[in-house]
Amino acid sequence: EDQVTQSPEALRLQEGESSSLNCSYTVSGLRGLFWYRQDPGKGPEFLFTLYSAGEEKEKERLKATLTKKESFLHITAPKPEDSATYLCAVANFGNEKLTFGTGTRLTIIP
Amino acid sequence: DSGVTQTPKHLITATGQRVTLRCSPRSGDLSVYWYQQSLDQGLQFLIQYYNGEERAKGNILERFSAQQFPDLHSELNLSSLELGDSALYFCASSALGGGTGGRYGYTFGSGTRLTVV
Repeated sequence: EDQVTQSPEALRLQEGESSSLNCSYTVSGLRGLFWYRQDPGKGPEFLFTLYSAGEEKEKERLKATLTKKESFLHITAPKPEDSATYLCAVANFGNEKLTFGTGTRLTIIP
Repeated sequence: DSGVTQTPKHLITATGQRVTLRCSPRSGDLSVYWYQQSLDQGLQFLIQYYNGEERAKGNILERFSAQQFPDLHSELNLSSLELGDSALYFCASSALGGGTGGRYGYTFGSGTRLTVV
């Protein structure tokens, strides 16, 4: 069964202090690895899909990378509006559902 | 607005009751997925429909059922409700039959918060 583990569970950073979130996964044939952002009481908002090891994608202050066992979400010079829970999920070739990690709750302090 | 519409936004009901949650997918999307999010378990996959047919099933209780109608909207029916069913219920849709959901991934609605008292 696919498994996704995210660390840390929570992270507090000063504004401008760069850091990385980790997503470790085991999957029987990776179809795609997904990053989502979720604000309290809202639905997850799509950020990136990564398909193969070595792939990188960027969006504003966020950069996602992928290896065969884990993915990192790098946050450069974060702002308070980047505060949210970041979710990682995988899909395999055997079915079409997403398996999610429990997320990293990120707080950026002004 | 993600394009996926869920109603109602909030629902409070008593144990033993039955409720129906509704989801309208993003225009053109054929697949609908239902997820449950509780505080201690994160997002759990319940069921997927593709173009009216059940495509995949997750850890969905026998008390729960779903369907997708010809206009592609979907309903999730929850019956004999228990306190532990209190959670956020999300619907997501994707452009393709599934897979990676295309370049936009899976698009989620804003959810229905169910409280069972």
